[in-house]
Amino acid sequence: QKEVEQDPGPLSVPEGAIVSLNCTYSNSAFQYFMWYRQYSRKGPELLMYTYSSGNKEDGRFTAQVDKSSKYISLFIRDSQPSDSATYLCATRASGTYKYIFGTGTRLKVLA
Amino acid sequence: EAGVVQSPRYKIIEKKQPVAFWCNPISGHNTLYWYLQNLGQGPELLIRYENEEAVDDSQLPKDRFSAERLKGVDSTLKIQPAELGDSAVYLCASSLAPGANTGELFFGEGSRLTVL
Repeated sequence: QKEVEQDPGPLSVPEGAIVSLNCTYSNSAFQYFMWYRQYSRKGPELLMYTYSSGNKEDGRFTAQVDKSSKYISLFIRDSQPSDSATYLCATRASGTYKYIFGTGTRLKVLA
Repeated sequence: EAGVVQSPRYKIIEKKQPVAFWCNPISGHNTLYWYLQNLGQGPELLIRYENEEAVDDSQLPKDRFSAERLKGVDSTLKIQPAELGDSAVYLCASSLAPGANTGELFFGEGSRLTVL
């Protein structure tokens, strides 16, 4: 079993839809959670960086962590064609440099 | 402020040839990482540097891969000789020391290697 599981998609939604992207993880020691956006032929771009449980909002993006179920989510409101990319979740334990990445979910927002 | 800079962006070589990738991290970031990303996969760590010291190279295939970070800033990743299976994207990343309010990992654009 991988330490971080992520559905590879692809996920296609119409413009304006609310998108929900999810990951599960297995190690209860993970404390920091990240979401990256990766456009084709580009490097991963950090979108959200959160600690422990709870929600964090930044514009149209909301990151949610539920440590009790080991489940992390990224919500995108009012999705735009420019949001079409691969979204990677990542996590690490406190005090470590070991970042564990999911495989990424391909998202396509249709105009 | 400049982000992580990598070069070359693309490289096509024949198998058994050598190749080198260069990375300049974000200013002030002591920790530098080289990751490998295969198609449809997340990044996987090859090596991590703290200043000049390689502190985690357990996943680096040392028979053909080598890396250095002279003066604790720029880094070079080398493959010699390259094999067909080395075709992938090589990502460089940097961060501050992971703490309560730090530890975000920032990536460069990557170096895409194609081995023919």
